[in-house]
Parts: sequence; structure tokens; C-alpha cells
Amino acid sequence: DVVMTQSPLSLPVTLGQPASISCRSSQSLVYSDGNTYLNWFQQRPGQSPRRLIYKVSNRDSGVPDRFSGSGSGTDFTLKISRVEAEDVGVYYCMEATHWPPTFGQGTRLEIK
Amino acid sequence: EVQLVESGGGLVQPGGSLRLSCAASGFTFSDYWMSWVRQAPGKGLEWVANIKPGGSEKSYVDSVKGRFTISRDNAKNSLYLQMNSLRVDDTAVYYCWRGSAWGGDYWGQGTLVSVSS
Repeated sequence: DVVMTQSPLSLPVTLGQPASISCRSSQSLVYSDGNTYLNWFQQRPGQSPRRLIYKVSNRDSGVPDRFSGSGSGTDFTLKISRVEAEDVGVYYCMEATHWPPTFGQGTRLEIK
Repeated sequence: EVQLVESGGGLVQPGGSLRLSCAASGFTFSDYWMSWVRQAPGKGLEWVANIKPGGSEKSYVDSVKGRFTISRDNAKNSLYLQMNSLRVDDTAVYYCWRGSAWGGDYWGQGTLVSVSS
């Protein structure tokens, strides 16, 4: 199985400051169709996860534009340009290029 | 509005069985792959299984293969997960989500399965 490694696992951020989460895969996530199936999910406390980003950099409907995804191959990043209080929660990357799909361990974002 | 509502969770002894359901609304259910994902208490997310729109193709993670069966009833807009030979490490909140592994744009609220003696 592909191993997804996120860092940091804990991310204290001051309100209004940027935040960045890294996700590295043990294998390339480029699929045979040329797409890279790397998603990002947010799980707020007590809630179900919610998809933020699909195929590396595509923001889901309703996701604020302060969230952005980038990367290629085995190295990916989720960035929040200016952290707001509602961004508190755990963020997961997930690869869906290989079977079985696998998630990163999660990064807990908290307000300093 | 897309809605996914899971039900059927509960407390079961090791070796027991449970059947989870996911009622879908707000979209054409029969057009979409559907999936189950789980989250052990205080832990991360784990893929469980998915099923093609017509139900002919199903895939499972190795840890549940031979014990869990995913199915669907497109006439009832419902997704199911039959779980047999349950183990303590199957304890988790089980979520259904719309789509294959490439999907996940909508999730249900989850249903808790606790396996304990």
C-alpha cells in the first residue's frame, strides 16, 4: 500500500497568519490517465470530514479561496493563506491513484 | 440538496454481525459509485469498500475482504455494508461517501460500530 506521510502532525497558527501542510507519498501518484488523484479533507471537531481539494489543486464548491493545493509526483502541499477560527480541525491528504486508497495520519491545526 | 444518512450501527460482540445502511437523496443515486470509509475512535481515516453504479463491481480493503459485503439498491437509493465476523479492531465510525475513491465530495454523518465483549 502507498504510505502517505503528513507533516507537521500538529500546527499551531496565529489568526490571520498563513499555514502549510506537507503530504508525501511513497510512490508517484500520477495515474495512467495522466491525472494525479490527491485529495485534501478537513475534519472540524465533532463533524464528518469534508473534501476541500481534489486532484491536487481543484477547490471544491464553497471552499474559501484562502485554501490552495499544489504539488506533483510524490510531494504535495495544502496552504491556507490567512487562518481563521473556523479552520481549526484535522486535515488529511488522501491518494486515490493506487488500490487501496490511503490517507495521511492527519495534521491538527489549532489557534495559538 | 445532497444528503447521505447512515444507520444501523451499535454494540456487537466479537464474531457478530451488523448491517449498515446509507440512505441517499438529492442526486441520481444510480449514476454514482458509492463508498464506505471508517474512522476508529480518535484515529485517522481508513478506506473500506466501494461499489459501481450498477452494483456489478465491488472492491474491498484487505482487512475486511471475506468478512464485509458492500451492496446497493438503486430503487431505494440505498447503500449497504454487511459486516460479519466482526473484530474489536473494526470498532469505528463508518461513513458513506458519494463516489469512488476519486469522489468524496459528500459524506454522511457517520454511524458508530462498537465491537466489544
